[in-house]
Amino acid sequence: GAVVSQHPSRVICKSGTSVKIECRSLDFQATTMFWYRQFPKQSLMLMATSNEGSKATYEQGVEKDKFLINHASLTLSTLTVTSAHPEDSSFYICSATLIDRAGQPQHFGDGTRLSIL
Amino acid sequence: GQNIDQPTEMTATEGAIVQINCTYQTSGFNGLFWYQQHAGEAPTFLSYNVLDGLEEKGRFSSFLSRSKGYSYLLLKELQMKDSASYLCAVRDGGATNKLIFGTGTLLAVQP
Repeated sequence: GAVVSQHPSRVICKSGTSVKIECRSLDFQATTMFWYRQFPKQSLMLMATSNEGSKATYEQGVEKDKFLINHASLTLSTLTVTSAHPEDSSFYICSATLIDRAGQPQHFGDGTRLSIL
Repeated sequence: GQNIDQPTEMTATEGAIVQINCTYQTSGFNGLFWYQQHAGEAPTFLSYNVLDGLEEKGRFSSFLSRSKGYSYLLLKELQMKDSASYLCAVRDGGATNKLIFGTGTLLAVQP
């Protein structure tokens, strides 16, 4: 089945640090990848839609200068949390969809737990 | 606006059947998905409905009524490992096919 790899799984760092999270589709090509954030006991909130070769589309209220997204190839998207602060601590999850196939679900990475001290 | 509602928590007994409901009001509709998420893990895909009716996959079934904006996930022969959050998600009809997630239902299966 479709596999999405996300790295790192956990990050603990000081306030002001920038953190990069990678999302890879291992056995399929994904023109579109999605980035979500999930706070404890809450559902997934879509942050942005990442399109290969073009600028990401951010959801309302998400700062594009703080959450930089790059989708350089059909198998890799990165999310960089710039100058992270404690309020950015959360569970970040990426997902990808097989292209050109109706009814295909989004396949999720294992998530990155980010803790800013 | 976009609104997807699910009960916050449910409790059921091992071996029993439980039904988790989801109602939605979205600007577009291109399918409804159910995901299972264990604490601290990523969601895993359970089922997909785009036409009205029931889809069955082993112990799990999902139903959709587009006219009522309603879906449910039915879990049979409950096992302890079914204790998890169950997320209802609607895919909008836009170009990006993004998913809008419901609030999630935390299911506790008791012995």
